[in-house]
Amino acid sequence: DVKVTQSSRYLVKRTGEKVFLECVQDMDHENMFWYRQDPGLGLRLIYFSYDVKMKEKGDIPEGYSVSREKKERFSLILESASTNQTSMYLCASSWAGQAYEQYFGPGTRLTVT
Amino acid sequence: EDKVVQSPLSLVVHEGDTVTLNCSYEVTNFRSLLWYKQEKKAPTFLFMLTSSGIEKKSGRLSSILDKKELFSILNITATQTGDSAIYLCAVEAVDNAGNMLTFGGGTRLMVKP
Repeated sequence: DVKVTQSSRYLVKRTGEKVFLECVQDMDHENMFWYRQDPGLGLRLIYFSYDVKMKEKGDIPEGYSVSREKKERFSLILESASTNQTSMYLCASSWAGQAYEQYFGPGTRLTVT
Repeated sequence: EDKVVQSPLSLVVHEGDTVTLNCSYEVTNFRSLLWYKQEKKAPTFLFMLTSSGIEKKSGRLSSILDKKELFSILNITATQTGDSAIYLCAVEAVDNAGNMLTFGGGTRLMVKP
């Protein structure tokens, strides 16, 4: 079974803090994705990576950055957290050439106060 | 632990056929069930269901929720090759920290001409 894990299930941070969300997959997938889910807005793609050290912007990259130093790990970074970044963050991974078949992690509920 | 199971895992039909995709769940503090279509990088939102027995419809797609038996179905009538995709079911639940989303494993639908 594919396993995608995220470092925290719940996180509470203050405005202005630097926040790291970690995602690890154990299937040697080339592609990894970060989404946020907000009520009424569905899933929105923040960034994705198709290889180590490679990254591409998704639909809403502003206020976020990412890091992929190892194939199994994809980090989402909020340089200076703001209240409008309070959301559910979901990580996913897939094999190269199969971006449509993604396996999702359990999600991290981030609250910025 | 919240759980969402989709069936079948995959399905091959011919154009014009009608298909039914299933999603069963076990969650605490259910809030809503969502269906997505995934064929590119980010899943596309289809339906959100919160009440039992009320059918939601969009063109050839329809969906209904049964909160007593804890499942939902997604129907696609007169299928077309463009319906080929992975269909994801996700359940939103509420806990003390807010809403959490759990995804099923998806059903891969292939529609042949």
